[in-house]
Amino acid sequence: KQEVTQIPAALSVPEGENLVLNCSFTDSAIYNLQWFRQDPGKGLTSLLLIQSSQREQTSGRLNASLDKSSGRSTLYIAASQPGDSATYLCAVSAGTYKYIFGTGTRLKVLA
Amino acid sequence: EAQVTQNPRYLITVTGKKLTVTCSQNMNHEYMSWYRQDPGLGLRQIYYSMNVEVTDKGDVPEGYKVSRKEKRNFPLILESPSPNQTSLYFCASSLYPDTQYFGPGTRLTVL
Repeated sequence: KQEVTQIPAALSVPEGENLVLNCSFTDSAIYNLQWFRQDPGKGLTSLLLIQSSQREQTSGRLNASLDKSSGRSTLYIAASQPGDSATYLCAVSAGTYKYIFGTGTRLKVLA
Repeated sequence: EAQVTQNPRYLITVTGKKLTVTCSQNMNHEYMSWYRQDPGLGLRQIYYSMNVEVTDKGDVPEGYKVSRKEKRNFPLILESPSPNQTSLYFCASSLYPDTQYFGPGTRLTVL
């Protein structure tokens, strides 16, 4: 059964730091992997989607990589800002229309 | 504006009183899905629908029903709610396997 893990559960960094969030999955037979942002009490906003055939995707200060063989994805945030404070979630799809989410990393960027 | 809407946003009810949470999307997406989010457990998929009249169980379908009679709507039905169904519920849609778009969430409390 696919399991998705995000470590650390919480992270606090000073403004301006570059940081990496991790997402691990146990079954490498995935269709795609998606990173989301969730603000307190709000819905999820999609950040980046990586198809299984891709190695990375970039959007602005965000870069997500995917290594299927090792069961890992990382989300790199450059020059972090207080507005980046949120919970970051990753989700994998195994191509069966099902999605498995990690429990998220709660990020706080200190001004 | 492309969006997924859910109603109601907040609901307090009592054990056993049937309720329906509506979900509607205006993006002509074939794929729709329901999730529940609980502290420490992350998002878990309840049911999903690949197209009109086609639905399937996710990881936690017990106590829930769904129907997909129209492409834009995917209601979640709790026939006899119990306190363990107190949770934050999200509806999502996509052109599978592309990016999922999430609704704002429905906070349900069952007394």
